[in-house]
Amino acid sequence: EAQVTQNPRYLITVTGKKLTVTCSQNMNHEYMSWYRQDPGLGLRQIYYSMNVEVTDKGDVPEGYKVSRKEKRNFPLILESPSPNQTSLYFCASSTSGLAGGYTGELFFGEGSRLTVL
Amino acid sequence: SQKIEQNSEALNIQEGKTATLTCNYTNYSPAYLQWYRQDPGRGPVFLLLIRENEKEKRKERLKVTFDTTLKQSLFHITASQPADSATYLCAPESGTYKYIFGTGTRLKVLA
Repeated sequence: EAQVTQNPRYLITVTGKKLTVTCSQNMNHEYMSWYRQDPGLGLRQIYYSMNVEVTDKGDVPEGYKVSRKEKRNFPLILESPSPNQTSLYFCASSTSGLAGGYTGELFFGEGSRLTVL
Repeated sequence: SQKIEQNSEALNIQEGKTATLTCNYTNYSPAYLQWYRQDPGRGPVFLLLIRENEKEKRKERLKVTFDTTLKQSLFHITASQPADSATYLCAPESGTYKYIFGTGTRLKVLA
């Protein structure tokens, strides 16, 4: 079954304690990205990756890091979480831009709800 | 800055009627526009994509229009059913891989 898997699904942590949210896809997609969703603000892109070792900032990258060492995995790292990073996080993947720039539909994971105290 | 506006208020309609959701965008020119459905606590699910050179796209009971002059897309669900109740997100995309989503419109179909 084609899917994007995120872990953990729920996490409560404390300010400053480093954490990693993993994301893995089994569709051989080149494009992967992270979003956070907050009430009234919608989905906002944090980082995206066009392929292995190729990453770039989205609209709200501050406080986050990513890496893309393997095609299937795209972890989101919070080096020193703060309460304003409490949010619902989604990972998504897609076939990358083909000729003409079409990026394809996004396949989303089920989300990771993070609370930073 | 780029901005996307969707009806922030919930839309309630009677079963069997056509639901029409609006997506307006400003300060950019998307080459594509995608629509997604999101159920509470779940990830968005892709529904339809329309290109800038397409005026209309259909898929079963869904229809999307894309007016680049008005900078607007309309999303229609005909013969709506209670199972169509969800939040619908639009995502204009300019081919730069930086997706921007609207905040979504919550649709409730009343039986």
